[in-house]
Amino acid sequence: GAVVSQHPSWVICKSGTSVKIECRSLDFQATTMFWYRQFPKQSLMLMATSNEGSKATYEQGVEKDKFLINHASLTLSTLTVTSAHPEDSSFYICSAGPLLTGSYEQYFGPGTRLTVT
Amino acid sequence: KQEVTQIPAALSVPEGENLVLNCSFTDSAIYNLQWFRQDPGKGLTSLLLIQSSQREQTSGRLNASLDKSSGRSTLYIAASQPGDSATYLCALYNNDMRFGAGTRLTVKP
Repeated sequence: GAVVSQHPSWVICKSGTSVKIECRSLDFQATTMFWYRQFPKQSLMLMATSNEGSKATYEQGVEKDKFLINHASLTLSTLTVTSAHPEDSSFYICSAGPLLTGSYEQYFGPGTRLTVT
Repeated sequence: KQEVTQIPAALSVPEGENLVLNCSFTDSAIYNLQWFRQDPGKGLTSLLLIQSSQREQTSGRLNASLDKSSGRSTLYIAASQPGDSATYLCALYNNDMRFGAGTRLTVKP
C-alpha cells in the first residue's frame, strides 16, 4: 500500500513554456504533500510544503510565482513550472504524508525528469 | 533549521564486506528518520524507517540505528553485494523532511 504516482515521468519542453507535474496518492489520503528538486549528483532539496486547500509554503530561494503549486484534494497536488528555462532542468520528486491515520511516514513518488531546451 | 550530514560522501568496498554509513543531525526533535536508496537517475526506495521512540530497525542485511541524544544514525549493511551499489540517503521528518547529501556506495565484485 501507500503508493504515490507522478505524471509525467519525464518531459522535454522548450524554454519559455510551462509544464505541469502531477503528484497523486493512489490508495491513501495525506494532509500534506511536499515537492523536492534534485540536481545531478546532489541531494534532494525541499522546494515547498503544500496542504490541501491552503497556499503552499515555499522554501527560501524558491520563487512562488515561478513554481505554482495547487493542492486540490487530499490525494492530488500539482506543480507548474512557469516560463521554464534550461536552469530549471532537474529531477522533481513529490512526497505525501502524514497520513490521516496519524502515521508520520513519508511516501515518495518516482520522480519527474524535466529537461528544458 | 535541521542540518543533516552524511559521512563518507563516497565509499568503495569489495564484495562481501560489512560496512557502516553514518548520518548526523543537529535537531533531535524529530518524528522519524528514514534511510533511502537511490539508483542513478531513479527515484527513492525506502529501506528502513525508525520512529522517534525506536532505537533500531532491521530488514534483511540492513540494520539502522538511531541515537537522538547524540544526533546520530547509522546504516549497517552486512555481506555487501554489487547490487547494493547506489547512493544512500538519510532523511529526518519533523513537519517537513530534510535530507543528507548522501553516501555513494560502490561494491566491487
